[in-house]
Amino acid sequence: EDQVTQSPEALRLQEGESSSLNCSYTVSGLRGLFWYRQDPGKGPEFLFTLYSAGEEKEKERLKATLTKKESFLHITAPKPEDSATYLCAVVSGGSYIPTFGRGTSLIVHP
Amino acid sequence: DGGITQSPKYLFRKEGQNVTLSCEQNLNHDAMYWYRQDPGQGLRLIYYSQIVNDFQKGDIAEGYSVSREKKESFPLTVTSAQKNPTAFYLCASSFGQLSVNTEAFFGQGTRLTVV
Repeated sequence: EDQVTQSPEALRLQEGESSSLNCSYTVSGLRGLFWYRQDPGKGPEFLFTLYSAGEEKEKERLKATLTKKESFLHITAPKPEDSATYLCAVVSGGSYIPTFGRGTSLIVHP
Repeated sequence: DGGITQSPKYLFRKEGQNVTLSCEQNLNHDAMYWYRQDPGQGLRLIYYSQIVNDFQKGDIAEGYSVSREKKESFPLTVTSAQKNPTAFYLCASSFGQLSVNTEAFFGQGTRLTVV
């Protein structure tokens, strides 16, 4: 059974204070690992797909990295508009169905 | 623009009533999913479908039913048998098992409240 664990559950940062969110996973053959951003009361917005260990993707202040056991979402010099819940999901070799972690709630104070 | 449309955004149900949540996509995706989101619980899979006229139960299917009569549409019915239906419901779609592109895209959700 695929498992995804995200940490921390909540993170408060000052504007400009860089940090990282963690996503640990256990799957039988990773087909893809995904990061989403979710604003309150809205559906998750797709950010990145990572397919293999060593892969990195960047978008504005966000950078996602992948190892064989975990993924990190690095946030560089965050702004208040980066405040949201960040979700991690995996699809394994035995299934095409995404399995989600519980998310990390990020608040960036001005 | 391609995307997934869920309706309504807010839905109120009386005890004992069935209600149906709509989900339509124009992304030409084969696979569609319904998730339920509760505070602190993450997204839990209710039902999924890979092709028209076929669907499978997810982890929490009891009290729910679906149909997949068209590729574009995957409505979810919350029946009176669902003991705790108040939640945020999310529909998603992806190219599915036969594609190298595995990412799923979501609608904006329906918040269901039992009154």
